[in-house]
Amino acid sequence: AQKVTQAQTEISVVEKEDVTLDCVYETRDTTYYLFWYKQPPSGELVFLIRRNSFDEQNEISGRYSWNFQKSTSSFNFTITASQVVDSAVYFCALRGHTGNQFYFGTGTSLTVIP
Amino acid sequence: NAGVTQTPKFQVLKTGQSMTLQCAQDMNHEYMSWYRQDPGMGLRLIHYSVGAGITDQGEVPNGYNVSRSTTEDFPLRLLSAAPSQTSVYFCASSYMPGSRTDTQYFGPGTRLTVL
Repeated sequence: AQKVTQAQTEISVVEKEDVTLDCVYETRDTTYYLFWYKQPPSGELVFLIRRNSFDEQNEISGRYSWNFQKSTSSFNFTITASQVVDSAVYFCALRGHTGNQFYFGTGTSLTVIP
Repeated sequence: NAGVTQTPKFQVLKTGQSMTLQCAQDMNHEYMSWYRQDPGMGLRLIHYSVGAGITDQGEVPNGYNVSRSTTEDFPLRLLSAAPSQTSVYFCASSYMPGSRTDTQYFGPGTRLTVL
């Protein structure tokens, strides 16, 4: 079974605070791919990052960083020094190598208060 | 490249009407899919396709039909619209799993209201 859990439904932070969005996944595949997407209030879905299961190196892109830990089946997303423009719904997704489907979490709605 | 395009952007239907949501991609992606997004429920897969002539059901296929006659196009048909189908619909496409560019890219969405 493939499943993605985003336990945090809504998070509010004050601008310039750091915030971490949690993502826990389940899969029986040994090779799989993890993704994060951002959905701003305008509604489009924007791709942020892709990781494969063999690459556990953490990644940093500007204020964004991702922590992939196979031991805990987690792929968490941290925004440093949050800004109002970071307000959006963020989705974590999983794709197994043997199947074709993407499995999405239910999303975390982040509000950054000025 | 236009990426993934969807038409229309907005649609209002009456219960029982039928319609087709159009989706096209110009990236030569094998995999295409349709999702619906409802408040608090994330993205739920309706149908997907791994190539021309091949389609399969996702999590919530009832009330929807798809076909894939070309690599580029993947229309979603609502046979007899119901208020429960009021939602935002997203089309997406990607290469198959494992390719370096197997990221799924989304169209802008169609907001459908069924009265």
